Amino acid sequence: GAGVSQSPSNKVTEKGKDVELRCDPISGHTALYWYRQSLGQGLEFLIYFQGNSAPDKSGLPSDRFSAERTGGSVSTLTIQRTQQEDSAVYLCASSPTRGQPQHFGDGTRLSIL
Amino acid sequence: EDQVTQSPEALRLQEGESSSLNCSYTVSGLRGLFWYRQDPGKGPEFLFTLYSAGEEKEKERLKATLTKKESFLHITAPKPEDSATYLCAVQYSGTYKYIFGTGTRLKVLA
Repeated sequence: GAGVSQSPSNKVTEKGKDVELRCDPISGHTALYWYRQSLGQGLEFLIYFQGNSAPDKSGLPSDRFSAERTGGSVSTLTIQRTQQEDSAVYLCASSPTRGQPQHFGDGTRLSIL
Repeated sequence: EDQVTQSPEALRLQEGESSSLNCSYTVSGLRGLFWYRQDPGKGPEFLFTLYSAGEEKEKERLKATLTKKESFLHITAPKPEDSATYLCAVQYSGTYKYIFGTGTRLKVLA
């Protein structure tokens, strides 16, 4: 079956531009997570959605970062006024419900020039 | 502060040379501990979940164990295709967030 799909796979943009990253979770999965992975680092939690509950935004590093999940399915992570330190791989994961193992997409590699 | 520490950072093994990877955690109440494998350019792939001390899980050449403070991923007679980064993640009581370790980069030489 289809796994977690992320797009684009690569994004290069200039400092100061806004970017949108998309995540299509596995159908029926109610939990959705966004992570950031910098070179040689572990996964840094950004935000978590569970069903129709208010998201846990406690990992977002600044107010330039925001995310939404429409209809309990597709999610978009938006970074406004990008900075060079935002360069990283952004990973999305979904699970049938919270507490169960996560299924990851292959990420979006974001490069800020 | 809740933390997850993995060791060693990197490990080189000869094919067939068994070893163990360590994941130690300091969290206030463990909900679950998860092991993942990550290949270059790919997202992590789920391997095991452990929920309570004394629990063990096995899959092919891999075996994961859990104590109250740490988990081990034992690799028996590894093959070159086992080369990857192995990540440990902890989910703790009161939240459904995960804390990830920085991983162990494993290289198995033929």
